[in-house]
Amino acid sequence: QKEVEQNSGPLSVPEGAIASLNCTYSDRGSQSFFWYRQYSGKSPELIMSIYSNGDKEDGRFTAQLNKASQYVSLLIRDSQPSDSATYLCAVTGAGSYQLTFGKGTKLSVIP
Amino acid sequence: KAGVTQTPRYLIKTRGQQVTLSCSPISGHRSVSWYQQTPGQGLQFLFEYFSETQRNKGNFPGRFSGRQFSNSRSEMNVSTLELGDSALYLCASSLEGHNNEKLFFGSGTQLSVL
Repeated sequence: QKEVEQNSGPLSVPEGAIASLNCTYSDRGSQSFFWYRQYSGKSPELIMSIYSNGDKEDGRFTAQLNKASQYVSLLIRDSQPSDSATYLCAVTGAGSYQLTFGKGTKLSVIP
Repeated sequence: KAGVTQTPRYLIKTRGQQVTLSCSPISGHRSVSWYQQTPGQGLQFLFEYFSETQRNKGNFPGRFSGRQFSNSRSEMNVSTLELGDSALYLCASSLEGHNNEKLFFGSGTQLSVL
């Protein structure tokens, strides 16, 4: 059974701070890694994807992947109240057509 | 381009009934996936369709079924509803369903079973 684990939170950070979200996965064969953002009452929206070890930056967001440790993280710099949402980590395996999601970390950015 | 469209937005059913949910993918997308989201279990994969064929199925009982039509639109059906089937059902589409593709989610159907 493939598992993706996230700290459920809530994670509270002050406005302007760095928010750090973490995720571990059980399947060593996992190949693609995604971070989705879900606002309350809305559907998930992809914000980052990463496929190889290292860092990937997109604006205020940085995704980090360490396959040896089976660990994925998302950093949000200069956090804004509009970043308050649940962040879902998702993973796919080789030849897989399904995403396995973590249960999400709820982030609250305090003005 | 229109996004993924799911209908209906809300449904209320009673135990033992059956329900059919509909999903229209983004134009040109041939892969449609279905997910169930509950507060306790999070998002769980139900099944994925491509070119009218089910390619992958999650760990759900046979009461959950689906199909895809030649225009890529998809339906999922839940028979003999149970209280535990109350959830948000999300449909997502992508071009070919490859594991590195971006999934686009619809707004979901909120199903309440009484």
